[in-house]
Amino acid sequence: AQSVTQPDIHITVSEGASLELRCNYSYGATPYLFWYVQSPGQGLQLLLKYFSGDTLVQGIKGFEAEFKRSQSSFNLRKPSVHWSDAAEYFCAVDPIAAGNKLTFGGGTRVLVKP
Amino acid sequence: NAGVTQTPKFRVLKTGQSMTLLCAQDMNHEYMYWYRQDPGMGLRLIHYSVGEGTTAKGEVPDGYNVSRLKKQNFLLGLESAAPSQTSVYFCASGSNNYGYTFGSGTRLTVV
Repeated sequence: AQSVTQPDIHITVSEGASLELRCNYSYGATPYLFWYVQSPGQGLQLLLKYFSGDTLVQGIKGFEAEFKRSQSSFNLRKPSVHWSDAAEYFCAVDPIAAGNKLTFGGGTRVLVKP
Repeated sequence: NAGVTQTPKFRVLKTGQSMTLLCAQDMNHEYMYWYRQDPGMGLRLIHYSVGEGTTAKGEVPDGYNVSRLKKQNFLLGLESAAPSQTSVYFCASGSNNYGYTFGSGTRLTVV
């Protein structure tokens, strides 16, 4: 079945440390890929997206993500986290050929320790 | 440019009551979506539309109906609300080669 998986439900990271959030998908063809961030009680903000081309994508707030076709992954990274990065992060996939239905992973909640 | 606007932002319903959530976008997007967000379950697609006058079921459509009579509006209806429909509802719009924009959400409580 087609799905999006974020294996880590919670991640705790120290301020200034690096962060990597995992996302794997299972679709037949390369879909469009997205990362969103949601602060408590807020809506979703787009961090970055991948449609085609360069597999390393730069986003807002110092985030980047790398698409790896062989691993069906689209992991999000940040070299040095700030306390304001504490939020929930969602990976999302648009399979394109299947009616443009944006499907979300279950989310990863990031806690930042001082 | 307002983007995606959802109304209302908060609502409390009694079991069995009906209501309509309105989503409006001013970006001329073809696609519109309704999601619900529940703790620990991410966002789940309720219904979606790939163009004016079209609708389709998503992952969790039961108990909801939708209409897209105008390109800019996508309505989500609850005919007979149930406590299981207590959730935060998000509307989104999008187009190919652009991505998706989300509204700020509607927090619905059914008592």
